[in-house]
Amino acid sequence: QLQLQESGPGLVKPSETLSLTCTVSGGSISSSSYYWGWIRQPPGKGLEWIGSIYYSGSTYYNPSLKSRVTISVDTSKNQFSLKLSSVTAADTAVYYCARLGNVAAVAGSYYYFDYWGQGTLVTVSS
Amino acid sequence: SSQLTQDPAVSVALGQTVSIACQGDTLRNYYASWYQQKPGQSPVLVIYGQNNRPSGIPDRFSGSSSGDTASLTITGAQAEDEADYYCNSRDNNDNHVVFGGGTKLTVL
Repeated sequence: QLQLQESGPGLVKPSETLSLTCTVSGGSISSSSYYWGWIRQPPGKGLEWIGSIYYSGSTYYNPSLKSRVTISVDTSKNQFSLKLSSVTAADTAVYYCARLGNVAAVAGSYYYFDYWGQGTLVTVSS
Repeated sequence: SSQLTQDPAVSVALGQTVSIACQGDTLRNYYASWYQQKPGQSPVLVIYGQNNRPSGIPDRFSGSSSGDTASLTITGAQAEDEADYYCNSRDNNDNHVVFGGGTKLTVL
């Protein structure tokens, strides 16, 4: 059974950089069929896609966060990571990592997040 | 980038059928996927693609699509179905992902 686990500081000071790592177990991050993504959820609010990465290193970022986000992958450790710079209180959220399936077929194309980590609360405060 | 719109709240009587809608231009080109999220828990995929259910998801959950609107239908809603439901899809213009704002389902 595939499992994902987020790790990193739960408290970050304003203007600093938030750094999280997602460790994948029970499967390979180098699978050609999947991307890997970060999603966040501010307290009491909805889900927001942050960005996705393919094992080759290709990245895709939410335009609203692109200037501050870097996602990277370490296939040797079966991990991928998130860095979000210049954080403010608005970046306080539960951060999830998840596996992103990508189907492109004549019958129809779609994305889906099928495995999620448990989420980690990151609070931005001095 | 594209946007997906969901009604903030929907209610259903126990045992009745309810549909939750998700509207957006990208849904003319890509199927939606649907997630159930209960308080304090991670989202769970319930429907993906045209109408696929992951293992372990009850068959009372189904999905459909018409034009720019995707729908999640629960036939015979149970008390345990009370949760927030989110749709998501691929963005029209690139390999981006977009989520709907979520619908809070109350089972009466």
